[in-house]
Amino acid sequence: QITLKESGPTLVKPTQTLTLTCTFSGFSLSTSGVGVGWIRQPPGKALEWLALIYWDDDKRYSPSLKSRLTITKDTSKNQVVLTMTNMDPVDTATYYCAHRMTGGSGSYPGAFDIWGQGTMVTVSS
Amino acid sequence: SYELTQPPSVSVSPGQTARITCSADALPKQYAYWYQQKPGQAPVLVIYKDSERPSGIPERFSGSSSGTTVTLTISGVQAEDEADYYCQSADSSGTYKVFGGGTKLTVL
Repeated sequence: QITLKESGPTLVKPTQTLTLTCTFSGFSLSTSGVGVGWIRQPPGKALEWLALIYWDDDKRYSPSLKSRLTITKDTSKNQVVLTMTNMDPVDTATYYCAHRMTGGSGSYPGAFDIWGQGTMVTVSS
Repeated sequence: SYELTQPPSVSVSPGQTARITCSADALPKQYAYWYQQKPGQAPVLVIYKDSERPSGIPERFSGSSSGTTVTLTISGVQAEDEADYYCQSADSSGTYKVFGGGTKLTVL
């Protein structure tokens, strides 16, 4: 059974750097085709894709946020870390991590098929 | 930036058919995925690769594709289907993922 859980601060100040950790179980990020993505959702608004990291350390970022984001993985700890620099109140959102298999792999290829519960981050001074 | 366009809201009576559309230029080249999100909950995958239904998703959920538009159809809508629905796909290169703006399905 695949599970993911996000963790990190609930409150950050403007200009600070946010560091979020996704801890997962039920799969390995060293297995071919496996990826973990980050998606966020401001209160009352739509989902927004942020970043993806794959088993081979290939990394993809949202073009609009690329300069502020870094995604890394620690295969031994079953964790993926997302950092976002220069936080602003508009970055207030629930941040989700999700499991994804590449287009030719897994039960539901290409989909964010399993999501974490999300963690709410508020940016305020 | 690349965008997927959804209607903000759709309303249907119980037992009727709801259709939610999602439009974008690259949809003929890239698969679409649909997620259901209920208040306070994480999204749940209901359709993948345009028209495939994951295990455990009721048969009343179906997906289709025609040109630059994909459609999520819910036949025989039930009160429990009231939720926000999001389509997701990628740009023409497949590199950058994107979500639509979401559609609120109201069951009257």
